[in-house]
Amino acid sequence: SQQGEEDPQALSIQEGENATMNCSYKTSINNLQWYRQNSGRGLVHLILIRSNEREKHSGRLRVTLDTSKKSSSLLITASRAADTASYFCATDDHVGKPLVFGKGTRLSVIA
Amino acid sequence: NAGVTQTPKFQVLKTGQSMTLQCAQDMNHEYMSWYRQDPGMGLRLIHYSVGAGITDQGEVPNGYNVSRSTTEDFPLRLLSAAPSQTSVYFCASSYSMGSGAPYEQYFGPGTRLTVT
Repeated sequence: SQQGEEDPQALSIQEGENATMNCSYKTSINNLQWYRQNSGRGLVHLILIRSNEREKHSGRLRVTLDTSKKSSSLLITASRAADTASYFCATDDHVGKPLVFGKGTRLSVIA
Repeated sequence: NAGVTQTPKFQVLKTGQSMTLQCAQDMNHEYMSWYRQDPGMGLRLIHYSVGAGITDQGEVPNGYNVSRSTTEDFPLRLLSAAPSQTSVYFCASSYSMGSGAPYEQYFGPGTRLTVT
């Protein structure tokens, strides 16, 4: 069964605005990752945060992790039209098994 | 490096037909996985492999077979296609899996399958 649930399901913003997506999960995790999927393409890894980290930055991306609430957020600052994509969180919670993905947030950035 | 490659990109099958979706990676990754993606469902794990000769079932394995005879290749076989198997299929590989150590998965471009 799926572990992560992203919220909102869809988000539409203007270019230059910030976009925030949330992910909630059910069981304890080792790591949480965020992936991007452009329409019709495979997923691309964006950023990974370990369970003992609370915040991580990569360029215009900022990820937070709250293990007490079993939730994570992905913030994209100063969004661009090229950021239009679906964003998925994925958790690593089972020894020897692949990542478990959520259903994703569809982000539309309007120029 | 080509990364993870998948063939074909598109396929249309009739109900009851069988076929094999090909997946190959040139990164010497031990771990490979197959996911299917349906609208509103995200990615669901079909089968995975932790090394040559070792495979295991994921969340939705029924109707699919896999084998892993080499590190590079991980084909997915549809035994008798059904309309419910209409989906986009993604293959992924990684150098680690679920050991607690962080790892990322590398995805292929996908195969879009329609079963009529």
